[in-house]
Amino acid sequence: QKEVEQNSGPLSVPEGAIASLNCTYSDRGSQSFFWYRQYSGKSPELIMSIYSNGDKEDGRFTAQLNKASQYVSLLIRDSQPSDSATYLCAVTVGTDKLIFGTGTRLQVFP
Amino acid sequence: EAQVTQNPRYLITVTGKKLTVTCSQNMNHEYMSWYRQDPGLGLRQIYYSMNVEVTDKGDVPEGYKVSRKEKRNFPLILESPSPNQTSLYFCASSLLGRDEDGYTFGSGTRLTVV
Repeated sequence: QKEVEQNSGPLSVPEGAIASLNCTYSDRGSQSFFWYRQYSGKSPELIMSIYSNGDKEDGRFTAQLNKASQYVSLLIRDSQPSDSATYLCAVTVGTDKLIFGTGTRLQVFP
Repeated sequence: EAQVTQNPRYLITVTGKKLTVTCSQNMNHEYMSWYRQDPGLGLRQIYYSMNVEVTDKGDVPEGYKVSRKEKRNFPLILESPSPNQTSLYFCASSLLGRDEDGYTFGSGTRLTVV
């Protein structure tokens, strides 16, 4: 079983819709969870971090964490074509080690 | 500007010719790490360092070496590159104990070994 699993996509949504990206992880001891956005050929950039069960909102982005189900998600409201990218879920294991999922490719069409 | 600087951005080399990819950060981060990214495999950790003179293997260390003689620099060394090391490489750094900041990544180095 992979430590961090994501659906590779592509996930296609129309402009203005809500995009929902999901991630599951295997280490029950993980405490910190991150979503990174990566444009093609570019480096990952941090969008959201979350540590507690529940929702965390930042602008159009909402991260959701459910530790009992070992599940973390990212919602993007009012999706824009500029949101088209690969979204990487990352989970800490031990001290400061980040394990990344393989990413979900999001396509937002006009 | 706070950043992680990698060089070179692109490199084409031949099998067996030693090369070094440099990484430098100006944020006084203790933690530095190297990843390679391959299609379908995601980001996989090669080596990491918790502080000066402290390095440890990640998930895919074979064929790579690193050193951490200064806090700001963490070069990746390929003593005898092979074609299976063709990949996109990223250096990243973070401040220990500041999980919420995540990692800061360099711009990447696209390496081709022929």
